[in-house]
Amino acid sequence: QTVVTQEPSLTVSPGGTVTLTCASSTGAVTSGYYPNWFQQKPGQAPRALIYSTSNKHSWTPARFSGSLLGGKAALTLSGVQPEDEAEYYCLLYYGGAQSTWVFGGGTKLTVL
Amino acid sequence: EVQLVESGGGLVQPGGSLRLSCAASGFTFSSYWMSWVRQAPGKGLEWVANIKQDGSEKYYVDSVKGRFTISRDNAKNSLYLQMNSLRAEDTAVYYCARAVGANWGQGTLVTVSS
Repeated sequence: QTVVTQEPSLTVSPGGTVTLTCASSTGAVTSGYYPNWFQQKPGQAPRALIYSTSNKHSWTPARFSGSLLGGKAALTLSGVQPEDEAEYYCLLYYGGAQSTWVFGGGTKLTVL
Repeated sequence: EVQLVESGGGLVQPGGSLRLSCAASGFTFSSYWMSWVRQAPGKGLEWVANIKQDGSEKYYVDSVKGRFTISRDNAKNSLYLQMNSLRAEDTAVYYCARAVGANWGQGTLVTVSS
């Protein structure tokens, strides 16, 4: 049973910087896991932010960036805005014969 | 503009079946992998299944293998999820997504209860 782990909750002040991480129970996360990051606000469908570790969609605000950090995938928000308060999910790819994707449990980001 | 519109959700008894549909527009449907993702009430996201552009490859999360079948009709720009032997734990909002989540529909609620 593969488990993807995220911080359950984080708090950041407006204008601050925060890094969310995504770890795999199988070991270090590499680019081969094609990390994706999504934002979900209450009552809304998720919205894609980052794909393949660090690539942004055309609609992704510049203050969001993705990377690999210490064996984990990471999402950094710089200059946090009140509207960034949301749940954030990472998604990792596990290839091979049983090609599957696994979401992390999500991080509730509070802007306070 | 990419649009994904799910339909087919509803209330079904344990052991029953349901077929979800997703109508796609605004992009070349036949060029993309497509996915189903679900979210149980108050819980996180769970990847359920995906299907290759031509339908030749399909993958599922272990908990639905043998019960759910993903399919597509490129001529109709439509994605489907046939759900059989439904269980209470399948209760969730089911989202259709382009590729691995570049774009999402608004979801359709499936409730499995007697």
